[in-house]
This record gives sequence, structure tokens and C-alpha cells, in this order.
Amino acid sequence: RKEVEQDPGPFNVPEGATVAFNCTYSNSASQSFFWYRQDCRKEPKLLMSVYSSGNEDGRFTAQLNRASQYISLLIRDSKLSDSATYLCVVTLTDSWGKLQFGAGTQVVVTP
Amino acid sequence: NAGVMQNPRHLVRRRGQEARLRCSPMKGHSHVYWYRQLPEEGLKFMVYLQKENIIDESGMPKERFSAEFPKEGPSILRIQQVVRGDSAAYFCASSPQGQRSYEQYFGPGTRLTVT
Repeated sequence: RKEVEQDPGPFNVPEGATVAFNCTYSNSASQSFFWYRQDCRKEPKLLMSVYSSGNEDGRFTAQLNRASQYISLLIRDSKLSDSATYLCVVTLTDSWGKLQFGAGTQVVVTP
Repeated sequence: NAGVMQNPRHLVRRRGQEARLRCSPMKGHSHVYWYRQLPEEGLKFMVYLQKENIIDESGMPKERFSAEFPKEGPSILRIQQVVRGDSAAYFCASSPQGQRSYEQYFGPGTRLTVT
């Protein structure tokens, strides 16, 4: 079983709509959680950290469910520029420098 | 503030040659990480270094691969006797010390092609 699993998509989303997707992680010792985005296999860029209480950054909302071991990302009012692959990332308590990446969820926003 | 710099951006090597990939972290960052992304796959952690120290090399292949981050100069990922399976994008990331040390910022990557 992969340590971090994501639905590869693609999620085809009309411009202006809302899209949400999850990521599950297998290790209960996972400590820190992040969403990165990657465009056309360029470098990943940190989108947001995910906190236990959930957090919002503009049109993006991230949630963490430790009991069920998943995190989610919701994008409201989708823009064409949101088209990208969204990478779920976790770290473990005893190896926090080692980011564990999911394979990514592709989002395609259409006009 | 310049971001993480990597060079070369593209590198072509014949089987059996050596590949040297360089990474200069962001100004003020003292932690460097290397990741590899194979075609159609996610990023895989390779190694975590601080100046003159390897902190975690659990993702490094046991043979042919080595990494260093000297006191002066960039971090180097070295691959000896490259094989076709080494063809991939190699990303370097850096992070600051202190409270935000978990936030890693990535360079543009080096795309290695082994012919």
C-alpha cells in the first residue's frame, strides 16, 4: 500500500465551479501535512500547510481528519489558472525533513 | 530574493558516464533536500543535508549515488556510471532553520536523460 494515495483524476471543472478532492495517508505517525501544486512537471510549489483545525487561504480550504487519516482540498470559484496537478504531502514525526508525496490529482478548469 | 537555483537544467549523459547536479539553496536557508521524479510518477525523497552533514539518506540508492553540501558552494548530487533508469527529473529543495523549517521550496529541477 502506498504511503500517500490520491485519486489521479483528471477532475474537469467548469470555470467558477467548486472542486474538492481527498488524499489518504497510511502512517498514523504522520505529523505535518501540505498541499503543493505542480504545473506540467515543473517544480512543485507550496500551496498551503494543513492544520488540525482546518485552514483557508483565499479560495482554497484545507481540512485534516486524523481519525480517518485523510486531508482534503477544496477550491472555490475555480480559475483557468488553477489547472494543475495538486500534490498531497505528509511528513513523519521522526523524519520531518523527508516529504512523502502522493502521485497527484490533476485538475483541469475549462472555460 | 533569488529562489533555489539548480544547474544544469538539462543534462544528457551516455550510459556509464557520470552526472553531477548542482543546487544552490535560497539565501538564508541551511537545509537542502534532493528528490527524484521518474516519468509518470510522484516525487521520491532521496537525501536531506545540512552544511557538511548528511542528515537522512534513506532514499538514496545504495550504489552509484552520493550527495554533499560543503561548507562553501552548492550542494552536489553525483551519479556515477549512469544507466537508462536514472533518466528522471531531479529536484532540489531548501528550507530555513527555525519555526518554518518544514516549508520546503523547490528549484526548477535538472532533467537527466541517459542515452
